[in-house]
Amino acid sequence: DTGVSQNPRHKITKRGQNVTFRCDPISEHNRLYWYRQTLGQGPEFLTYFQNEAQLEKSRLLSDRFSAERPKGSFSTLEIQRTEQGDSAMYLCASSQGTSADTQYFGPGTRLTVL
Amino acid sequence: KQEVTQIPAALSVPEGENLVLNCSFTDSAIYNLQWFRQDPGKGLTSLLLIQSSQREQTSGRLNASLDKSSGRSTLYIAASQPGDSATYLCAAVRGDDKIIFGKGTRLHILP
Repeated sequence: DTGVSQNPRHKITKRGQNVTFRCDPISEHNRLYWYRQTLGQGPEFLTYFQNEAQLEKSRLLSDRFSAERPKGSFSTLEIQRTEQGDSAMYLCASSQGTSADTQYFGPGTRLTVL
Repeated sequence: KQEVTQIPAALSVPEGENLVLNCSFTDSAIYNLQWFRQDPGKGLTSLLLIQSSQREQTSGRLNASLDKSSGRSTLYIAASQPGDSATYLCAAVRGDDKIIFGKGTRLHILP
């Protein structure tokens, strides 16, 4: 297994367009997390899944954001009607199943909204 | 509300020196504390994870300590090398699974 993968690595879009990112976690990991990171800041928690169930959503996740993990494997994060303030690095992480387990991060998807 | 602060924000040291990075958190009711490394434009690499019941963890030249009562953790790097240059982030995991990151310390090792 090669670790957590994310696609695309970079996305440039115009304001108002919809974008979708994909995260493939480490295969045996039950938990999957999404974070957002802006320049000079630490990652901010957005949401996480235990298998296919979405257990927590941050207030940062407005109605324009939606995340899914339909079969408990890969996950998608969709942003509708993108705004310039959505420009950030979107990071995905996975862990085996509890808060006690190490989180393994993917390389991230860098979103630029023009 | 849990807040995580890292001091200093940036640090430059000559190669070979030992150094300490500091992390403080406001709510001692953490589940564990994790240290990460981030290279520019890249994702995070986990370095050390300290469970709330533990006092320290070691991996190679890295040693992380945890003092829950004072709300502090330190990351000690021995015999620093240019390849250690990166941003180091600490993250506090709460019992409700919220993970709160600090802003990081940008470390530059001078050859």
